Amino acid sequence: QKEVEQNSGPLSVPEGAIASLNCTYSDRGSQSFFWYRQYSGKSPELIMSIYSNGDKEDGRFTAQLNKASQYVSLLIRDSQPSDSATYLCAVRATNAGGTSYGKLTFGQGTILTVHP
Amino acid sequence: KAGVTQTPRYLIKTRGQQVTLSCSPISGHRSVSWYQQTPGQGLQFLFEYFSETQRNKGNFPGRFSGRQFSNSRSEMNVSTLELGDSALYLCASSILAGVLISYNEQFFGPGTRLTVL
Repeated sequence: QKEVEQNSGPLSVPEGAIASLNCTYSDRGSQSFFWYRQYSGKSPELIMSIYSNGDKEDGRFTAQLNKASQYVSLLIRDSQPSDSATYLCAVRATNAGGTSYGKLTFGQGTILTVHP
Repeated sequence: KAGVTQTPRYLIKTRGQQVTLSCSPISGHRSVSWYQQTPGQGLQFLFEYFSETQRNKGNFPGRFSGRQFSNSRSEMNVSTLELGDSALYLCASSILAGVLISYNEQFFGPGTRLTVL
């Protein structure tokens, strides 16, 4: 089982629709969760971070976290063609000592296409 | 505030050579992490540096090494290059380190595209 798994893509949605991206993780000690967007030929860009169970909203983006189910998702409302990119879920675990080092484990990414 | 910078942006090397990549973190950021991105393996963690010390290391051979300087700038080195080392090498910086349940966000540089012929 992969440490971080994302829903298989590619995902295609019409402009104005809601895009739903899902991610599951295997390490129950994980404490920090991130969503990155990566355009073709570019580096990943941080769009959302979430640390507590529940929803976190930022503009058209909503991240949802359920630690009991080891599940994190990203909703993009009113999807635009400019949202077409690869979305990467990243997870950071906390070591036994409680410190958090700079290792992120990434999912394989979900390619999202928003068509006009 | 300027973002993470990486140099060079593109490199072409031949098998057996070595290469050094450089990363300057966002001003005030003390932690630098390195990642390798390939189409087949995705984004994989190489190592992380904080206060000139390597705190964490991924599952890569010893040919991959790095260091961090007192100004937080970091370099990574790959010796005896192999064809499979062709990848996008990404550096990410974050501001905090070593605190309980840290909420460090990592910000990526543009990457160095390495091609090994």
